Amino acid sequence: KAGVTQTPRYLIKTRGQQVTLSCSPISGHRSVSWYQQTPGQGLQFLFEYFSETQRNKGNFPGRFSGRQFSNSRSEMNVSTLELGDSALYLCASNSGNNEQFFGPGTRLTVL
Amino acid sequence: AQSVAQPEDQVNVAEGNPLTVKCTYSVSGNPYLFWYVQYPNRGLQFLLKYITGDNLVKGSYGFEAEFNKSQTSFHLKKPSALVSDSALYFCAVRDASGVSYIPTFGRGTSLIVHP
Repeated sequence: KAGVTQTPRYLIKTRGQQVTLSCSPISGHRSVSWYQQTPGQGLQFLFEYFSETQRNKGNFPGRFSGRQFSNSRSEMNVSTLELGDSALYLCASNSGNNEQFFGPGTRLTVL
Repeated sequence: AQSVAQPEDQVNVAEGNPLTVKCTYSVSGNPYLFWYVQYPNRGLQFLLKYITGDNLVKGSYGFEAEFNKSQTSFHLKKPSALVSDSALYFCAVRDASGVSYIPTFGRGTSLIVHP
């Protein structure tokens, strides 16, 4: 069974630009969660999608958005990038057994 | 509300010695508890979970954790540490009676095992 795939793995952007990150969950998993990981704040929950619907949302500004497609693949978008958005963005494929399977992450650097 | 605390930013242990990584939690109802490990430039890997039943939970790579309801703790342990265990460890909690299916993660504890 293939694992969680995240693309791209690394990304460098400048302030004010926007970025789209992609996540393909484990086959059969219908729920995907996104997290932002930084050294100072640890792992912070962004949002969760289940069957194309946002089911939970963390405490992030509206510049952070996401969506899920019918094949369960998910994207997250960050508009008007700020220096503080530099982080590792992790996607988790959620099983129905209370386990999360994480992808390798996308390392975003904002200059 | 649910929260989790990992009181140590870093734990140092010599190879072959037992290790403990501490975690305490707070939930309104019954807890679902998890441990994950993260190696450099990798995502988190699931180690073990407590949902119900035996308070001592055994997981991957020889790790185990003990659920202590009275102390609201779920410390991660291993009898004999390996250098390859050096990584970042995250504890997470979810309220079993909560509306959200999403766990809250601790800030992580860096485990360094010295040869």
